[in-house]
Amino acid sequence: TQLLEQSPQFLSIQEGENLTVYCNSSSVFSSLQWYRQEPGEGPVLLVTVVTGGEVKKLKRLTFQFGDARKDSSLHITAAQTGDTGLYLCAGVINDYKLSFGAGTTVTVRA
Amino acid sequence: DADVTQTPRNRITKTGKRIMLECSQTKGHDRMYWYRQDPGLGLQLIYYSFDVKDINKGEISDGYSVSRQAQAKFSLSLESAIPNQTALYFCATSDAAGDYNEQFFGPGTRLTVL
Repeated sequence: TQLLEQSPQFLSIQEGENLTVYCNSSSVFSSLQWYRQEPGEGPVLLVTVVTGGEVKKLKRLTFQFGDARKDSSLHITAAQTGDTGLYLCAGVINDYKLSFGAGTTVTVRA
Repeated sequence: DADVTQTPRNRITKTGKRIMLECSQTKGHDRMYWYRQDPGLGLQLIYYSFDVKDINKGEISDGYSVSRQAQAKFSLSLESAIPNQTALYFCATSDAAGDYNEQFFGPGTRLTVL
């Protein structure tokens, strides 16, 4: 049983559209990370959110950590084909263990 | 050059064979991890190591063993491979001094057990 549920599982949009990916749990995490994985490569860390209610922006990507530190969202504005990939959220359990969601596969069509 | 490298990148083997996957890192991190990734299941922790003398089982260690040969090298072995060990395997590292256990992944090994 996974602690983190990601939705949707798959998302296909046209270039220029916006999208939001959700990461939900009934558990509280000390912090939460988002990774992006491209085909044939390993996950790459995008951001870590730490404080409840925190919002972080990385160019066209906006990450939010829920007030209760149980959920998070990733919003992409004006998606580009380069945003295509598998987006994984990971809750920090302790100083060595992460709990990963199953991921959302995002496809941005030209 | 990549900070975390894995060899081989792809491997096809038969049931019952012994397989070793290798991981090397140049990040200078003490902590290293092995994960497997299956479609729809995310990443599951197999083993982790805090240093050469400190190795620990993760969530799904049955059927696997590891060796930490040096700070920079961590290998994963399947003593007798079985088909349900077909998966993507990732090595990762993290800095023990970091605040949030941010992990750096290798490119992965795609293993197929026939």
